[in-house]
Formats: sequence, C-alpha cells, structure tokens
Amino acid sequence: QVQLVQSGAEVKKPGASVKVSCKASGYSFTGYYMHWVRQAPGQGLEWMGWINPNTGTTNYAHKFQGRVTMTRDTSINTIYMELSRLRSDDTAVYYCARLIAPGSKAFDIWGQGTMVTVS
Amino acid sequence: QSALTQPASVSGSPGQSITISCTGTSSDVGSYNLVSWYQQHPGKVPKLMIYEVSERPSGVSHRFSGSKSGNTASLTISGLQAEDEADYYCCSYAGSSTFHYVFGTGTKVTVL
Repeated sequence: QVQLVQSGAEVKKPGASVKVSCKASGYSFTGYYMHWVRQAPGQGLEWMGWINPNTGTTNYAHKFQGRVTMTRDTSINTIYMELSRLRSDDTAVYYCARLIAPGSKAFDIWGQGTMVTVS
Repeated sequence: QSALTQPASVSGSPGQSITISCTGTSSDVGSYNLVSWYQQHPGKVPKLMIYEVSERPSGVSHRFSGSKSGNTASLTISGLQAEDEADYYCCSYAGSSTFHYVFGTGTKVTVL
C-alpha cells in the first residue's frame, strides 16, 4: 500500500543541523510533489516547503529560506529535509506528506512523523 | 504569510451539528478553491477530511462537509459523535506566484 516511512527521533544541540528522511513506497515516487510540515509541542501545523521528486525543484516557506534544504534520491524513493542552525524553537515533530493527486493541493498520505529535539 | 484564523475551540453535544470557520485573505482562501481540512487526534498523524473546499476523500464520512464564501472557508460536522473530538486544521494554497501553502491556527472540537 501507499506509505511514507520517516527516520527516527533526533536530539541535537543548538546551532547544529538535522537531516530527516522519508521513504516512499506503493506508488510512482516521481509523480507526486512531496511536502514537509512541522508541529511544535502543543502547537499547530506549519508548512515548510515542497520538493518535486522528478526534477528536484524545491520551494520553501519564507520563514525557512536559508536554513532548510530539501533533496531527493530517486534510486531509493527517498526525500530528505535538512534544517541547519537549529534553535530551541525548532523542537517539533516533522512530517513528510504527499499530495492526494498530481496537481492537487491537499495532503492525503503522511509519514509517521520524526521528533526533533533541540536542547 | 500569516496563519489562517480559526476559533480556538468549538463544542457540541452528540447528534448536533457544528461549524468551524477558517478566515484568510484575498491572497489565499479568497483566491483559490484549494482549501483542505485535516483532523488530528492527540499523538496521531493528521488525516485529510476535505479537499478543494468541499470534496471528500474516499472513506471519509458524509457527516463532514466543506464550503467557502469570500475569504472564509468552513467545515461542518453533522451528527456529532464522540470520535469526532479532535483538533481540526484548515489549509489553503497561497499563491501561483509563490507556490506556498498556509495552515490555520487549529480548532479543538469537544463533544460534550
């Protein structure tokens, strides 16, 4: 079945970087844009950006530009999100999510989430 | 891009209907019929409930419906059930020039 499996929890020190992976299976990896969304403890969802797995084109929310890098490896159907210069307020669960259909703008398949703690 | 505005909480008794509003601007909600809604139970992954303002994904109950008027989108839950108690978030596409998205502030739904 269609699923996204993310890497495990991370604990990082302020100023460090973290790289989270998201492995896709059960569908055509290059056919759907992939997004990253984060959620700080007790807070709401926050959109971070997207990557086109086919071309590698990316688009980041203004808030994260300069600190986030999204990449992909088509040989293993995996996308990555690297966030640098970590601060305590980057502590959050990070989700990858797939659009419901090519060209759509809603996320129907989500990874299980990766907890990143900055302390 | 500022978050879309939702009420912090909405409550209702079993069987009642409730409506959650999601207010944006003419740059996001008002410009595109690309609003989606997500349900999130504590400690769980968000679940898509409505997309493109009023479309229901396969498997989502007909008790959930969506609409939009101007810069405000709405999610209505009819025949409220205990399992509907969760957080709900709206999300809108926010621009053909930026290709960005914006989420709502979130609404806690309580079934009395």
